[in-house]
Amino acid sequence: AQSVTQLGSHVSVSEGALVLLRCNYSSSVPPYLFWYVQYPNQGLQLLLKYTSAATLVKGINGFEAEFKKSETSFHLTKPSAHMSDAAEYFCAVSGLATDSWGKLQFGAGTQVVVTP
Amino acid sequence: DTEVTQTPKHLVMGMTNKKSLKCEQHMGHRAMYWYKQKAKKPPELMFVYSYEKLSINESVPSRFSPECPNSSLLNLHLHALQPEDSALYLCASSQDGQDDYGYTFGSGTRLTVV
Repeated sequence: AQSVTQLGSHVSVSEGALVLLRCNYSSSVPPYLFWYVQYPNQGLQLLLKYTSAATLVKGINGFEAEFKKSETSFHLTKPSAHMSDAAEYFCAVSGLATDSWGKLQFGAGTQVVVTP
Repeated sequence: DTEVTQTPKHLVMGMTNKKSLKCEQHMGHRAMYWYKQKAKKPPELMFVYSYEKLSINESVPSRFSPECPNSSLLNLHLHALQPEDSALYLCASSQDGQDDYGYTFGSGTRLTVV
């Protein structure tokens, strides 16, 4: 079965500082990996995705993530945090494993707080 | 149109009521999903429809009954719910069930069972 683990349920960053959210995956076959953001009382918005093309993936709002197979990681970064980045972030996996077909599995989420 | 539209946005229902949640997309996606999200938790998959057929039921209680009338519509019929069923119900769609384009989510229906 495929799964993702997000390290850190809460991250506090200063405005203008680097944002780093950690995600590690477990999969028996190459996975598809996603980062989603959820603002309060809203649905989920796709930030970026990895689907076995380039290992460095650029997304919306200045975010990017790097797929590292040797480390089974897909960490999300943004060079300079804005106040508007305060939200819940979810790492998710889907893929070709038979028991994971059609299923998007989420990590526990990381709440990002941005301080002035 | 690149949206998934969910109605209603908020719903309060009694434990003896019958209500339905509606989800609509016009992106030509052939897979549609229902997720349940409790506060401070990640979404949990409930049902997957692929080409209008139920392909995954994640052992959801029978008081939740999904329906896919056509490729653009997905309903979730609710009956005899419990207070612990109060949650945000999210609908999503993708091009098909095995898809690397990502999933598009609606804004959700906030359900409160009293």
